[in-house]
Amino acid sequence: AQSVTQLGSHVSVSEGALVLLRCNYSSSVPPYLFWYVQYPNQGLQLLLKYTTGATLVKGINGFEAEFKKSETSFHLTKPSAHMSDAAEYFCAVTSGNSGYALNFGKGTSLLVTP
Amino acid sequence: DAGVTQSPTHLIKTRGQQVTLRCSPKSGHDTVSWYQQALGQGPQFIFQYYEEEERQRGNFPDRFSGHQFPNYSSELNVNALLLGDSALYLCASSSANLMNTEAFFGQGTRLTVV
Repeated sequence: AQSVTQLGSHVSVSEGALVLLRCNYSSSVPPYLFWYVQYPNQGLQLLLKYTTGATLVKGINGFEAEFKKSETSFHLTKPSAHMSDAAEYFCAVTSGNSGYALNFGKGTSLLVTP
Repeated sequence: DAGVTQSPTHLIKTRGQQVTLRCSPKSGHDTVSWYQQALGQGPQFIFQYYEEEERQRGNFPDRFSGHQFPNYSSELNVNALLLGDSALYLCASSSANLMNTEAFFGQGTRLTVV
């Protein structure tokens, strides 16, 4: 089975600063990787996904992530944080081992300060 | 497009009772998955329905059951409710028989068991 580890349950950045949210995965087969965002009292919205091909993936709201097989990582970045980016972020993985189920990390809460 | 809709949005039940949650998938989607998100945790996969059959199941007891109707909508039933069943229940829909297809999430149903 595959799993995801998100390092840092809480991350705080200043408005305009770089956002870096870390995600490491474990999978014995090529993974499909996702980042979702969850605003308070809302469902999950897909930010970006990696399936195959280009390892640098661009998503919505200026976010991007790079799939690094050698490091088993899929970290999420954004060059300049906005106040509206404050939310809970989840990394998820699926592959042949889990079939169609998304395996989520525990999430990282992003706080953006003025 | 209404997206994925779930009802009710909030629900309070007593221990031992039974509950039914409902989900209408995004237009054009034929696959519905259910997730349980405990407070401060990432979503956990319960099961997935496709062509009115349970295609895959996570590590949840038989008290959790589901159904998919011909119009692709779905129900999640939980019997003999426990305090630990209190959580946000998320429905996700997707299309086609592909693992890397994007899953669209509903707003969730907040279940409180007292």
